[in-house]
Amino acid sequence: NAGVTQTPKFRVLKTGQSMTLLCAQDMNHEYMYWYRQDPGMGLRLIHYSVGEGTTAKGEVPDGYNVSRLKKQNFLLGLESAAPSQTSVYFCASSQGGTGGYTFGSGTRLTVV
Amino acid sequence: AQKVTQAQTEISVVEKEDVTLDCVYETRDTTYYLFWYKQPPSGELVFLIRRNSFDEQNEISGRYSWNFQKSTSSFNFTITASQVVDSAVYFCALSAGGDSWGKLQFGAGTQVVVTP
Repeated sequence: NAGVTQTPKFRVLKTGQSMTLLCAQDMNHEYMYWYRQDPGMGLRLIHYSVGEGTTAKGEVPDGYNVSRLKKQNFLLGLESAAPSQTSVYFCASSQGGTGGYTFGSGTRLTVV
Repeated sequence: AQKVTQAQTEISVVEKEDVTLDCVYETRDTTYYLFWYKQPPSGELVFLIRRNSFDEQNEISGRYSWNFQKSTSSFNFTITASQVVDSAVYFCALSAGGDSWGKLQFGAGTQVVVTP
């Protein structure tokens, strides 16, 4: 049982480049989330989805876009990467949002 | 709006000492969930415990224990007889109702360093 899988695990981008982070879950969870983790700031919510075809903004959405075309996948896009987006990105899923959150192993992104 | 405060940035102890991590939360909702997660040096997030707002019973699980007090909006976590493997960053998190339902709000984390 894979749980939540994030790809890629590491990536280095040049300023202005674009990329997409993929999150896949095999638990049939309705809710999916993208967080970023920066030193001393905990995890902050970027975007989330409460079901297939829905997305909503979190705490720090600027510079990111997301899509949830299939229930099991939640994509995070950076259209024009900036050094301020250097961070560790975590995807998570949950059923109903009341607990039982499962996190992926993270993607370390560096923008130079 | 909801908020989680972990005032302790880093705690250093010698092995076998007890460690208590503080967590204070803010929410206007009467229904909410509180969590503790551990992030070891390998980077993954490990779920430790979840508590709902209607269950103030404190819990002990092995060397871990949790003290939930609604009167002071605190959800503290204690590691008894710490071990080197307990070295990690520990996060407290809150999921409340209303517009915040389902969204985990994390504290900044507390780095625990256990030395032999």
